[in-house]
Order: sequence, then C-alpha cells, then structure tokens
Amino acid sequence: KAGVTQTPRYLIKTRGQQVTLSCSPISGHRSVSWYQQTPGQGLQFLFEYFSETQRNKGNFPGRFSGRQFSNSRSEMNVSTLELGDSALYLCASSGTTGYGDTQYFGPGTRLTVL
Amino acid sequence: KQEVTQIPAALSVPEGENLVLNCSFTDSAIYNLQWFRQDPGKGLTSLLLIQSSQREQTSGRLNASLDKSSGRSTLYIAASQPGDSATYLCAVRFNTDKLIFGTGTRLQVFP
Repeated sequence: KAGVTQTPRYLIKTRGQQVTLSCSPISGHRSVSWYQQTPGQGLQFLFEYFSETQRNKGNFPGRFSGRQFSNSRSEMNVSTLELGDSALYLCASSGTTGYGDTQYFGPGTRLTVL
Repeated sequence: KQEVTQIPAALSVPEGENLVLNCSFTDSAIYNLQWFRQDPGKGLTSLLLIQSSQREQTSGRLNASLDKSSGRSTLYIAASQPGDSATYLCAVRFNTDKLIFGTGTRLQVFP
C-alpha cells in the first residue's frame, strides 16, 4: 500500500499571500489530521477530518482552514501568511474510526514565509 | 490542562546499550498512546500503539509499557544501534480528543 503523500514538499511564500497544501491518505483510510511542527512549539494539532466532517480542531486562528473530499483527500489553507507560519506541516491518516487506530504520517510540506 | 512531557530531552549512548525513554501525561483518562520516531527533516514513523486497556506492546527490539494510574509510559530499546539515532515522540489521545505530542527525546547512539 502506498503511504501518505503530501504536495508540495517545499513552498516559499511572502507575507500576506495564501497557500494550499494537499494530503492524500493511505487508501481506505477515512481520518486525516493536520499538524504544524516548529522548533519552538513542537508538534501542534491543527484539525482532524473524518468522512468529510471536521471532528476536532486545535487552537489556531481562523486563517487556518481545511477540508476533506469524498475520496478522503484533504487540503489545508492558510490565508494572509505571517512569518510565524513558517513550519513543517504534517498530515496523518488513520483507518476506520480514527480514534483507536495507528496514525500514519506523510513526509510533510516545508513552508517558508519571507 | 492535558499535557505530555518527555524526559530526558536528549540522550547520547554507546552502541549496544539498553535504554529507556520516558513519557508522562497529566490525565489518566487516555484513549491510547503512540510512540513515533522522527528523523531530521522527515515525517513521523509509527513505532508502537498502546490502547488504554493494554499494559504493553512489543515490536522487535522495542517494548512500550503503559501505566495509566501513574500517568507514565516507557519505551525500552534493547541493544541500541547507530540506526536508532532519531527523535522519539510520545503522543497521547485523551478520550476521543486530539492527539497531544510530547516535546520528544533526541537520541544519539554512537559506534
């Protein structure tokens, strides 16, 4: 089975722009979660989707949004980029219920905001 | 507040040593706990998942234990190898809420 894939792998944007990141989960997985990883804050949860519905949400401003499509692929969008949004954005998928299943992570998208 | 703490933050050991990484959490009402490793600049690789009803899980040279009453989990690595060098992260799911990660233990195994 193919693993979790994330595109693009690297992005450079300037302040004020917006960006969309994509995540394709493992085939058959219905839950997709997004995380932001920075050296100062570590891994922080952004949101989780299950069957196209947002099930959990972290403590991030409304500039961060996401969605999940019927094929379980997910996108996250960050509008009005700030320097502090520079980070590694990780996506994880898990199987049926999502709660009790192993989380499988993609390689991440490295976002740099200039 | 639900928190996950990992000690030590960094560890350097010679090859062949058995070692223990610690993870503590503030709320005993956990759903499950997962250990990951992360290589520099890469995503996370799942190592072991322990459900709240389980006491331990084993995979090869790795053994993870869970003690909910004391709010602790340990990851035991037997006969460490240079290839084990990575950051090890513990993540706890409290009830059916989001996964909360510890800050990790950076492990270096030298030949």
